[in-house]
Amino acid sequence: AQSVAQPEDQVNVAEGNPLTVKCTYSVSGNPYLFWYVQYPNRGLQFLLKYITGDNLVKGSYGFEAEFNKSQTSFHLKKPSALVSDSALYFCAVRDGSNYQLIWGAGTKLIIKP
Amino acid sequence: DTEVTQTPKHLVMGMTNKKSLKCEQHMGHRAMYWYKQKAKKPPELMFVYSYEKLSINESVPSRFSPECPNSSLLNLHLHALQPEDSALYLCASSQEGTVSSNQPQHFGDGTRLSIL
Repeated sequence: AQSVAQPEDQVNVAEGNPLTVKCTYSVSGNPYLFWYVQYPNRGLQFLLKYITGDNLVKGSYGFEAEFNKSQTSFHLKKPSALVSDSALYFCAVRDGSNYQLIWGAGTKLIIKP
Repeated sequence: DTEVTQTPKHLVMGMTNKKSLKCEQHMGHRAMYWYKQKAKKPPELMFVYSYEKLSINESVPSRFSPECPNSSLLNLHLHALQPEDSALYLCASSQEGTVSSNQPQHFGDGTRLSIL
């Protein structure tokens, strides 16, 4: 069965420090991986995706994610956190043959000044 | 600013009312989606339209009725809703019409629906 795990309900980081939001997945075929961010009272915004190719993917707002096939992970990273990065982050995965986008439970990221 | 526009932003309705949610995109996307999202939870897929035809219905109760009048518009008609239907309803679109596409979905800001 396909699944996505975001093991941390909440991540707290001091402004200026690097941040990591974790995501691991399980799919039967080749994965299409996505990160989305949701600010309060807003819809989800697409940050980045991995389809194929370079394992390090760069996205919006200075975020990047590293695809690790052996660990089935797709962790979201940013070198220097901003208070404005505080939001709810969702990882999602689809395999190439399935229509369903499987979502992680979400991780609340809090950046403290 | 999001490129998917949803109206209204907020809606309060009684259980016997009939109302509609509207979604519009002008990106030329060929797939459009309705999701339901409870607070702090991931979105739950309800319906998918591909090339203006309903391609997926995730066993949604008939009190929710989707409609796609053209490639830019998506409606969700509501009738006889229950209190547990209170949620944020999100519309999304993606470039390709095939449901196994690797293209990301672009979301509107949603309609926050409250059922009295």
